[in-house]
Amino acid sequence: GAVVSQHPSWVICKSGTSVKIECRSLDFQATTMFWYRQFPKQSLMLMATSNEGSKATYEQGVEKDKFLINHASLTLSTLTVTSAHPEDSSFYICSARDRRQGGDGYTFGSGTRLTIV
Amino acid sequence: GQNIDQPTEMTATEGAIVQINCTYQTSGFNGLFWYQQHAGEAPTFLSYNVLDGLEEKGRFSSFLSRSKGYSYLLLKELQMKDSASYLCAVYNQGGKLIFGQGTELSVKP
Repeated sequence: GAVVSQHPSWVICKSGTSVKIECRSLDFQATTMFWYRQFPKQSLMLMATSNEGSKATYEQGVEKDKFLINHASLTLSTLTVTSAHPEDSSFYICSARDRRQGGDGYTFGSGTRLTIV
Repeated sequence: GQNIDQPTEMTATEGAIVQINCTYQTSGFNGLFWYQQHAGEAPTFLSYNVLDGLEEKGRFSSFLSRSKGYSYLLLKELQMKDSASYLCAVYNQGGKLIFGQGTELSVKP
């Protein structure tokens, strides 16, 4: 089945630094990928839709200058958290849809646990 | 707007049956998903409903009524490993997968 690889699995950074998270579709092409954020004991909140070759579309309330998304190829999307602060600490998950799989085609990456100290 | 509601938490006994309900009001509807998520891990797919009715897959079944904006996930013969968060998600008209807040299920011996 479809596989989405997400790296790193976890990262601890100092406040003020920038962190890049990669999301790769390994055996299919993904023109669209989605980035979610999940705080403890809460559900997944959609942050943005990453579109290959064009600008990402952000959900209301998500700062596009803080969460930079780049989708330069059909298999790679990156999320960069710029000038991260402790309140950005969260679990970030990407997903992509393999349209060959029909209804159950949404595949999630393994997630990135980001901790800002 | 988008609104997907499910109970915050439920408790059930090993070997029993539990039903987790989900109601939704979204901008368009192209299908409803149920996912299982263990703490610190990514969600794993359980079921997908796009037409009304019951879909059965082993110990798990999912039901959808589009006219009522309602779905449920039925788990039979509960096992301890079924303790997890269960997420209801709607695939809306904009092509986005929108999640409910999740139901934390605790299975006790």
